[in-house]
Amino acid sequence: SQTIHQWPATLVQPVGSPLSLECTVEGTSNPNLYWYRQAAGRGLQLLFYSVGIGQISSEVPQNLSASRPQDRQFILSSKKLLLSDSGFYLCAWSGRENQPQHFGDGTRLSIL
Amino acid sequence: GQNIDQPTEMTATEGAIVQINCTYQTSGFNGLFWYQQHAGEAPTFLSYNVLDGLEEKGRFSSFLSRSKGYSYLLLKELQMKDSASYLCAVIDSNYQLIWGAGTKLIIKP
Repeated sequence: SQTIHQWPATLVQPVGSPLSLECTVEGTSNPNLYWYRQAAGRGLQLLFYSVGIGQISSEVPQNLSASRPQDRQFILSSKKLLLSDSGFYLCAWSGRENQPQHFGDGTRLSIL
Repeated sequence: GQNIDQPTEMTATEGAIVQINCTYQTSGFNGLFWYQQHAGEAPTFLSYNVLDGLEEKGRFSSFLSRSKGYSYLLLKELQMKDSASYLCAVIDSNYQLIWGAGTKLIIKP
């Protein structure tokens, strides 16, 4: 069966520091991969999605970036975090666009 | 623009039935998902509808009317553990997933 791993679970970072969140999927090949952010009490905001290695689509212009160095690895990065980057970050995968997305456990990021 | 509307919050009683509605206006339609999200946790997939009608899965059922741009999630025999947010999401004609803001369901004993 397929599993998705996302780490760390919580992270506290100072303003201006870099960020790297990692997500890996097991048990499937060539998944679609997604990064979302969810502010407290709000809906899901799609940040990036990828349909293959090296293929990244950005939905929201911001100081975040994403990379997919391997088929089942998706990384969210920032060179300099802002206070507004605080939130709950979720990685997800799906087989195809019309199949359900399955989420990792999420990373709660607090910027001080 | 694309839009999904759900009530912000609903309250129901343990053992009762509750219906959570979702209306959508999207550029095309290729399916609708319902997800459950407990506070502080990731969403988990509940159901998928692409054809009109009712899909039943245990205590949960989901209904779709494509002509009306409408879906509902029906939860029967409510349990305290059903307290969560329920998210409606629609796949548009470009196979982009459009998310609703979610409905927070509070179950009272």
